[in-house]
Amino acid sequence: DVQLEQSGAEVRKPGESLKISCKTSGYTFSTYWIAWVRQMPGKGLEWMGVIYPRDSDARYSPFFKDHVTFSVDRSTSTAYLRWSSLRASDSAIYFCARRRYTLGVPDGFDKWGRGTQVLVSS
Amino acid sequence: VLTQSPGTLSLSPGERATLSCRASQNVGSSYLAWYQQKPGQAPRLLVYGTSITAAGIPNRFSGSGSGTDFTLAISRLEPDDFAVYYCQQYKTSITFGGGTKVEI
Repeated sequence: DVQLEQSGAEVRKPGESLKISCKTSGYTFSTYWIAWVRQMPGKGLEWMGVIYPRDSDARYSPFFKDHVTFSVDRSTSTAYLRWSSLRASDSAIYFCARRRYTLGVPDGFDKWGRGTQVLVSS
Repeated sequence: VLTQSPGTLSLSPGERATLSCRASQNVGSSYLAWYQQKPGQAPRLLVYGTSITAAGIPNRFSGSGSGTDFTLAISRLEPDDFAVYYCQQYKTSITFGGGTKVEI
């Protein structure tokens, strides 16, 4: 059974760093892209980017590039999302999701984690 | 940019729902997905490749369209279908629409 288990809620102050995790199981981690999606309070879904665990090839949405970093640990089948300096506007729920394939071409996100709530407040 | 309409759709169980997703550029015929999200839950993939229903999704959900205009139809609304629905294109990078809330 494919599962994406995300780390628990976090509270930080502006300027602090944070790394949240998405531990996967039930499939071959290295061969599926992992996406990160932000959802601000009461708002819609925003695609942040994707990472390919086999070679750590990361693609960022222009809006999030230079503010977040994706990484993976293949030994534990875990993906990470990191901020080096948080802002109050980073307060949101962050989802990880697995990107499925059709005939070898990546398409929709078929499995999702439950989300990690991040609150940034002084 | 993906624009979803209407923002809110008020319907009764048993009625048909038609949700629209319009793209600012040509998305082709195979690069659009639809998701359902209920309060406090992660999104769930309903349709990918514009018209392919994902595993485990009831056949009352169907997707169609091509180019810049796409539709998600729910043939007969059940109580469990009242939720927010998002379209997503993945032809050029990835973007989500703003969502349509289907309410009772």
